[in-house]
Amino acid sequence: EAGVTQFPSHSVIEKGQTVTLRCDPISGHDNLYWYRRVMGKEIKFLLHFVKESKQDESGMPNNRFLAERTGGTYSTLKVQPAELEDSGVYFCASSPGTDTDTQYFGPGTRLTVL
Amino acid sequence: AQSVTQLDSHVSVSEGTPVLLRCNYSSSYSPSLFWYVQHPNKGLQLLLKYTSAATLVKGINGFEAEFKKSETSFHLTKPSAHMSDAAEYFCVVSDLLRTGRRALTFGSGTRLQVQP
Repeated sequence: EAGVTQFPSHSVIEKGQTVTLRCDPISGHDNLYWYRRVMGKEIKFLLHFVKESKQDESGMPNNRFLAERTGGTYSTLKVQPAELEDSGVYFCASSPGTDTDTQYFGPGTRLTVL
Repeated sequence: AQSVTQLDSHVSVSEGTPVLLRCNYSSSYSPSLFWYVQHPNKGLQLLLKYTSAATLVKGINGFEAEFKKSETSFHLTKPSAHMSDAAEYFCVVSDLLRTGRRALTFGSGTRLQVQP
């Protein structure tokens, strides 16, 4: 069974540019989560999808961040325009609908904003 | 509110010696507790999980953790370190919110070095 995959693995952009991160959850997992680890800090929750619906986006830092999950499969996280403080590692996780307890994480996307 | 404290940011052991990574937590309810490991350029891998069954939890690769409610601790141990254990380890507490979301709170991570 394929795990959670994320693309790209690394992204380096200039301040003010736009970046889109993609996450493909484990097939059949209704729950999809985005997390972020800013350098030197803890991994923090950003938002949670159940199928295509945003269940909880209380962790989104501001309106420069937009997450979508069209069709309830893969998800994208767009940062527009990117700022220096957005640099960090963005993780995606998924869990089955019947057991929302254990979350399975992807390898993360390392975003560097110059 | 829940919180997790990993007491050591770095731990260095010699190959073949025991590993102890310490974690204390606070939670309003009976939480689920996890240890995840991240090897370089890899995703977060689940090592083990505690969900109010047996207090001693066995995980993958010879790791285990003991839930001690009186001490609010969930320390991770391994009898004999292997070079491949070098990685960053995260203690995580999970509470169920009214939204139905499992809120994961991560510790700051402990980087384990294994010396030959």
